[in-house]
Amino acid sequence: AQSVAQPEDQVNVAEGNPLTVKCTYSVSGNPYLFWYVQYPNRGLQFLLKYITGDNLVKGSYGFEAEFNKSQTSFHLKKPSALVSDSALYFCAVRDRATDSWGKLQFGAGTQVVVTP
Amino acid sequence: DSGVTQTPKHLITATGQRVTLRCSPRSGDLSVYWYQQSLDQGLQFLIQYYNGEERAKGNILERFSAQQFPDLHSELNLSSLELGDSALYFCASSVDQRYTDTQYFGPGTRLTVL
Repeated sequence: AQSVAQPEDQVNVAEGNPLTVKCTYSVSGNPYLFWYVQYPNRGLQFLLKYITGDNLVKGSYGFEAEFNKSQTSFHLKKPSALVSDSALYFCAVRDRATDSWGKLQFGAGTQVVVTP
Repeated sequence: DSGVTQTPKHLITATGQRVTLRCSPRSGDLSVYWYQQSLDQGLQFLIQYYNGEERAKGNILERFSAQQFPDLHSELNLSSLELGDSALYFCASSVDQRYTDTQYFGPGTRLTVL
């Protein structure tokens, strides 16, 4: 069973508009959720993570994400998108119920395109 | 810059050959992870080492092996290469091996098998 799903292959948004990248998860126990961003020909950059506590997590570059346990979602948001936010975004989860210590399970990625 | 370094950046080789990818973790990080990114498989976890010991295995082929040395750098060895092994290989590191630890990724090594 897929642990992380990113339902949109691509999200298009105009500069200055709100940006949302969706992620849903499926794990047995408490999830540890992460967002990463990948720019062309670059490695993955960590944006933010949810471990426990406040459902709204603030991260780098003005991004935030909301953890929703009842909907098993962890959507990434930015109030006002920039052209420079155009990149590939990955949601990832660590599942304590598995026997794999450090494994990050990634979604398929969502390409964000911000137009001027 | 995450502080994780990987060499080489690009590698072009032929089928049947063997290559070694190298990773230096962030200063102070004990855990090293290897991932493969390809168009058809996405990002796949390969293997994890913690302070020199193997901790977890993912979708790693028997033709592939890895190790972590006493100075904590790691090498991923890929042998009997096939066309399908062409991919971007990432190394990541974290300070420990807790589920809450953030993994920081290197820039990757792009392997092309001709």
